[in-house]
Amino acid sequence: DVKVTQSSRYLVKRTGEKVFLECVQDMDHENMFWYRQDPGLGLRLIYFSYDVKMKEKGDIPEGYSVSREKKERFSLILESASTNQTSMYLCASSLQGAMETQYFGPGTRLLVL
Amino acid sequence: RKEVEQDPGPFNVPEGATVAFNCTYSNSASQSFFWYRQDCRKEPKLLMSVYSSGNEDGRFTAQLNRASQYISLLIRDSKLSDSATYLCVVNMNNFNKFYFGSGTKLNVKP
Repeated sequence: DVKVTQSSRYLVKRTGEKVFLECVQDMDHENMFWYRQDPGLGLRLIYFSYDVKMKEKGDIPEGYSVSREKKERFSLILESASTNQTSMYLCASSLQGAMETQYFGPGTRLLVL
Repeated sequence: RKEVEQDPGPFNVPEGATVAFNCTYSNSASQSFFWYRQDCRKEPKLLMSVYSSGNEDGRFTAQLNRASQYISLLIRDSKLSDSATYLCVVNMNNFNKFYFGSGTKLNVKP
């Protein structure tokens, strides 16, 4: 069974703090993704990575950066957290290919005060 | 205009009913299509891929209509356990980029 884990289920941070969200997958998947999910907006892609040290911007990369130093780990960084970044953050991984299943982690619910 | 659009519902149906959801997509060059299921406060999980010829998995049938740019999901003999949000997902001609609809909520009642 594919397992995708995220470092925290719930986080509370203050405006201006630097926030690290970590994601680890154990199935040697090439692709890893970071999404945020907000009511009425669905899942929106922030960044994805198709290989170690490789990344591409998704639809809403502003205010975020990512790091992929090892194949199994993909980190999302909020350089200076703002209240509009309060959201559910979901990490996913998949094999390469348009027909491949994405496997999601349990999500991190982030509240920025 | 959103790339993928779904009726948010909720669809409230009795056990045993047949229910259908549609999802429209904007890019005619889209290559692959999926339905994911998301339970309350849980992560999305793949329900089924959608193939050009249509496909069935038990009580679930998925169809693709390229001419009208929509996909559908039909659930027969609804169970209480089918209550969830169903997400339509489309890959828009880019192997690594998937667009999610905002989901259709289904409530199956006894």
